[in-house]
Amino acid sequence: DVKVTQSSRYLVKRTGEKVFLECVQDMDHENMFWYRQDPGLGLRLIYFSYDVKMKEKGDIPEGYSVSREKKERFSLILESASTNQTSMYLCASSPGLAGSTQYFGPGTRLTVL
Amino acid sequence: SQELEQSPQSLIVQEGKNLTINCTSSKTLYGLYWYKQKYGEGLIFLMMLQKGGEEKSHEKITAKLDEKKQQSSLHITASQPSHAGIYLCGADGSNNAGNMLTFGGGTRLMVKP
Repeated sequence: DVKVTQSSRYLVKRTGEKVFLECVQDMDHENMFWYRQDPGLGLRLIYFSYDVKMKEKGDIPEGYSVSREKKERFSLILESASTNQTSMYLCASSPGLAGSTQYFGPGTRLTVL
Repeated sequence: SQELEQSPQSLIVQEGKNLTINCTSSKTLYGLYWYKQKYGEGLIFLMMLQKGGEEKSHEKITAKLDEKKQQSSLHITASQPSHAGIYLCGADGSNNAGNMLTFGGGTRLMVKP
């Protein structure tokens, strides 16, 4: 079974702090994704990566950056957290083949005070 | 960009009743994915449809993709409390290996025992 893990289930940070959210997948998947999920707005893609050190902006990249130094790990970075970044963050990975499924991690609920 | 609209946004049904959730796309779908999310958790993959007219079933859940590949429905027969959660459709709007998905807003299902 594909396993996607995220470093924290719940996180509370203060405005201005630098925040790291980590995602690890164990299936040698090419693609990895970071989404945020907000009530009424659904899932929105922040960034995705299709290879080590490669990244592409999604729909809402502002205020975020990512890092993929190793194939299995994809990090989301909030350089200076703000209250409007309070959200549920979901990581996903997929094999990178047309028509392949994305597998999701359990999510990290981030609260920025 | 592709947009997905789900209906209804929320649904309360009595245990044992049948129900249908719809997902409509503004463009032709190359792949349509159904996920279930329990409250506060990650997404669990249910089914993927690719061909016009395709229908797949898993236990009491059946998903269909229309011939034009612009609308999908998810039908649950004899609903149970374990079916409660948020159902999301995701669409792959291009036939490439980038595998970027656009998601609908989700349908929140509650099943009354």
